[in-house]
Amino acid sequence: DAGVIQSPRHEVTEMGQEVTLRCKPISGHNSLFWYRQTMMRGLELLIYFNNNVPIDDSGMPEDRFSAKMPNASFSTLKIQPSEPRDSAVYFCASRAPTGDYGYTFGSGTRLTVV
Amino acid sequence: AQKITQTQPGMFVQEKEAVTLDCTYDTSDQSYGLFWYKQPSSGEMIFLIYQGSYDEQNATEGRYSLNFQKARKSANLVISASQLGDSAMYFCAMRPWGGYSSASKIIFGSGTRLSIRP
Repeated sequence: DAGVIQSPRHEVTEMGQEVTLRCKPISGHNSLFWYRQTMMRGLELLIYFNNNVPIDDSGMPEDRFSAKMPNASFSTLKIQPSEPRDSAVYFCASRAPTGDYGYTFGSGTRLTVV
Repeated sequence: AQKITQTQPGMFVQEKEAVTLDCTYDTSDQSYGLFWYKQPSSGEMIFLIYQGSYDEQNATEGRYSLNFQKARKSANLVISASQLGDSAMYFCAMRPWGGYSSASKIIFGSGTRLSIRP
C-alpha cells in the first residue's frame, strides 16, 4: 500500500498564477479530505468528498479555490489566482468506508506564493 | 459548536519520563470519535490512537494511552517512557459519528509541541 500520494511536494509560484495540487487516495478508501495548515490558523478542513461527491465545502476560503474528484483515485485542489496569503501546507487525507480509525494523510504540499 | 482545546502550546520532558498531553473537547453529539496525531518536524501527520465515545476501556497502543474522561470531556494522551523520537507536534482531534457508511469531518486542536530532553 503506497499510502496517500500528493504532488508536488513543494510548489513555489508567483502571485496571480494558477496552482493545482494533486492527490491519489488509498485504494478502497471512499472519503477524501483536503486540509490546509498554517501557523496562524492551524489545520483547517477545506472540503471533503464521499464516494467522489463533495459533501462539505464550507471551509473553502474563497471562490479562488476549487476542488474536484473525477474518480475514486484522483482529486485536485486548484487555486486561481493564487495570492501570498495562500502560502501553507496543503494535506490530502483519505478514509476507509468501514471502521473509525482516523484518516491517512499524505505527505502534504508546501505551497509558497511570492 | 464543536471544538477541541489543547491548552499546552509547548512542553519539555526528560527522556524516559512519562508525559501527559491535555485535550478537552466540546460537542453536543452523543456519539463521536477522538484521535491523536503526531506531526514530526518532517511534516507528515501520523495517526496514533483512537477512542470511541462509547468505548468503556481507555484505548492503548504500545506506549500511547488515551485517558478518556467522558463526563469531563477530556481525552488526554499519555506517553510512557518518552524517547527522543517522540519530540514532535501532537494534535488532538474529534469526529462526530456519521455511521460506518458516511463521512464526517475531523476537527483538530491547535496542537502541543513536545520536546524530549536527553
